[in-house]
Amino acid sequence: EPEVTQTPSHQVTQMGQEVILRCVPISNHLYFYWYRQILGQKVEFLVSFYNNEISEKSEIFDDQFSVERPDGSNFTLKIRSTKLEDSAMYFCANKRDRGPYEQYFGPGTRLTVT
Amino acid sequence: GENVGLHLPTLSVQEGDNSIINCAYSNSASDYFIWYKQESGKGPQFIIDIRSNMDKRQGQRVTVLLNKTVKHLSLQIAATQPGDSAVYFCAVSVGYTDKLIFGTGTRLQVFP
Repeated sequence: EPEVTQTPSHQVTQMGQEVILRCVPISNHLYFYWYRQILGQKVEFLVSFYNNEISEKSEIFDDQFSVERPDGSNFTLKIRSTKLEDSAMYFCANKRDRGPYEQYFGPGTRLTVT
Repeated sequence: GENVGLHLPTLSVQEGDNSIINCAYSNSASDYFIWYKQESGKGPQFIIDIRSNMDKRQGQRVTVLLNKTVKHLSLQIAATQPGDSAVYFCAVSVGYTDKLIFGTGTRLQVFP
């Protein structure tokens, strides 16, 4: 069964540093998402991405965040200047088409900001 | 916007018993609902989904019930096993981008 992969599994960074979280979605999937989960809390939507542009973003996704698909396969989330409160699990998800289809989640990247 | 909540943060059941996990949502226009299982240190794993034109759907040992009148969703797990121990989230697909709004999660603990 195809799966979503994410790298790194764990990233430790200092406050103010830039981080890039990477995801390899399932091939032929067209809709991409990033979610985050602060320890012990629910999963929260960050951003959706389709046709090489952001289609929707949450209020969490401020100017410090950006996403792109640099080579048509990898899907990245960049945080320009990390804050302590950015510490969380970040999940990439994707689905094959618009509408009521399953979103497949990756295993996540644990980001720790010190 | 959509609000999704779960009724119990923790549910403890004996191995072999049936488990029922509940969820409430707020937007009566919501039309696609999903249950995810999350094991420690892993991403959410799809269990079962249901569209608003149905009120029941069955999978292998799992059943999802949807009551649109009271905006309530439940997940039933038959003959619960130790491997079912995890946090269970309901999620509602919202808006033109189909983003998911998750509930707060119920931790299912299975004891022998």
